[in-house]
Order: sequence, then structure tokens, then C-alpha cells
Amino acid sequence: DADVTQTPRNRITKTGKRIMLECSQTKGHDRMYWYRQDPGLGLRLIYYSFDVKDINKGEISDGYSVSRQAQAKFSLSLESAIPNQTALYFCATSGVDGHEQYFGPGTRLTVT
Amino acid sequence: DAKTTQPPSMDCAEGRAANLPCNHSTISGNEYVYWYRQIHSQGPQYIIHGLKNNETNEMASLIITEDRKSSTLILPHATLRDTAVYYCSRGPGTYKYIFGTGTRLKVLA
Repeated sequence: DADVTQTPRNRITKTGKRIMLECSQTKGHDRMYWYRQDPGLGLRLIYYSFDVKDINKGEISDGYSVSRQAQAKFSLSLESAIPNQTALYFCATSGVDGHEQYFGPGTRLTVT
Repeated sequence: DAKTTQPPSMDCAEGRAANLPCNHSTISGNEYVYWYRQIHSQGPQYIIHGLKNNETNEMASLIITEDRKSSTLILPHATLRDTAVYYCSRGPGTYKYIFGTGTRLKVLA
């Protein structure tokens, strides 16, 4: 079984809708991250969490919010989706040293 | 400018060494250099990391210049399965981890 899972794997939604992407991990890691990937732009950090009570904004947090429901679960929400949020979204986890991040399989989100 | 820059693409003959460069000229003294690779649109896979010294593991070698402004990932004997996009990253910094835009490596038979 995969160590980091993401649901849904693909999602098409309309402008203005609220959508939640979910991430679960079985690595036992405290640190979790949400990235988005756009063609030609690489990976950009949206939010990160070092434990259930510690959540921080990343490089591009506007338009997004997160919830750390438990050590193993970290959800990303788009409050009111817009077309330029169309991207591939990855969740990742790491141990306390943060050196090796384990990525999930990604969620491909399309906002029409 | 906190960008991490990489060439967009490279080719390498199978069996030869693949040398992938990365420029991180604004790296801070406590930031590490990381390399990941991504096959198709799967989640990136960790390869190696380093701070100042050169590093080697079973997958690759990492060479970091003395001034730490650039690094090179070396795949010593590239195979067709090494065809992927390779990302250089630095961190943890203000926004934790900054990734480059990636180099698409094509290994040619």
C-alpha cells in the first residue's frame, strides 16, 4: 500500500465552487506539505504543517486554506475555485529533519 | 531573487554519466540542496541531499561548489529508466523549500 495517498486523483469543478483535496499518510511523520505544479513552473509550496497545531503559509497560499485533522491527515481547500488554480497538486510528508520528502501520487484539478 | 534555476532539457547516451546542473546563487548558509526526480506526472521521488560536502548514495552523486552557489547531480551510468524530470530544491528557508523548474533528461539508446 502507498505511504502517502491523495483523494480524489482527478477532479473537474466549476468556477466559484468550494473543493477539498485530502491527503493521508502512514509514514508516521509529523511534517506534511501541499504543493502545486504548473507546466514550466516546477513545484511551489502552498502550506506546510509541522504538527497538528502548527500550520504555516508557503510561497503561494492566497486562495487556499488547510486543515490538519490528525497527524496522518492534511486537507487542502479552495474556498472559491478559479480557473488559474487548475494544476497538479501534491501532498508530501517528511520526518523531523525535513530532508527526504515523500510525495503522494497527485491530484489533477481542473477549474472550468 | 530566490529562484533556483536549471536548464530545461538535456540528453545523455545510455551508459554514460549524466551531469545535471543547478544554480542556487542566493542560497543561505543553513539551507540544504536537494534533488528529486519525477517520472511522467507521478509524485517526485527523493534522490539525494547535501549541505556543503559532496555526497554519494546508491542512486547518484551530488557535487556542491565551494561557494555553494551551484550544484551538479551525477547519474554515473545512465539507463533508459533514468529518463525523467529532475528537480533541484533548496531549503528550509523562508518558504521552506524552493524548487527549480526542472530539467527534462532524456537517455538515448
